[in-house]
Amino acid sequence: SSELTQDPTVSVALGQTVRITCQGDSLRSYYASWYQQKPGQAPKLVIYGKNNRPSGIPDRFSGSYSGNRASLTITGAQAEDEGDYYCTSRDSSGGWVFGGGTELTVL
Amino acid sequence: QVQLAQSGAEVKKPGAPVKLSCEASGYIFTSYVIHWVRQAPGQSLEWMGRINTGIGETKYSQKFQGRVTITSDTSASTAYMEVSSLRSEDTAVYYCARENGVDPVAFDFWGQGTLVTVSS
Repeated sequence: SSELTQDPTVSVALGQTVRITCQGDSLRSYYASWYQQKPGQAPKLVIYGKNNRPSGIPDRFSGSYSGNRASLTITGAQAEDEGDYYCTSRDSSGGWVFGGGTELTVL
Repeated sequence: QVQLAQSGAEVKKPGAPVKLSCEASGYIFTSYVIHWVRQAPGQSLEWMGRINTGIGETKYSQKFQGRVTITSDTSASTAYMEVSSLRSEDTAVYYCARENGVDPVAFDFWGQGTLVTVSS
């Protein structure tokens, strides 16, 4: 399958830890990347590869893998972490595929 | 600083084509791949295709093969995407994004997006 499945909504209390997951067969072969998107803005890369953060991304963001699942963990979620999160990876035809997105609410 | 500046909003009638541009600055254009991604209102991101700007080689999503053409002008540091035979379902914000050169799944810089509205 070339699909990546994400939970549509996730919530977390301020300062707590939250895990956002992305499931798909391609994740057994390829790493994922994670993007944060806020309303009216372009997506922003937050995690790529095994567990790499671009410059300027806080270290509370981390990535991990298990089988056909990739996870984005935010340790000590902040109000500014609210937004939509998308995973992406390669698909079976050699192209790229995005997950359906997860809307994160920080309570 | 790295920037991707996209062309302005477009309103098109069904069946018409549209050509979008993405002008890069702040880095060596031919050293990085450019991808095109779209987002329909309230929907997820959708990968459309990419161009290796160094050699002009392209790859397209099977969904858009034959209807999308991605090109680049290295002298202008600009990538283009033309979508033909527009339909209402093509109404979306279209983004260009730079592949980071280390990880092919990592798009480290994005344009501001171009809204394309298809309406009769």
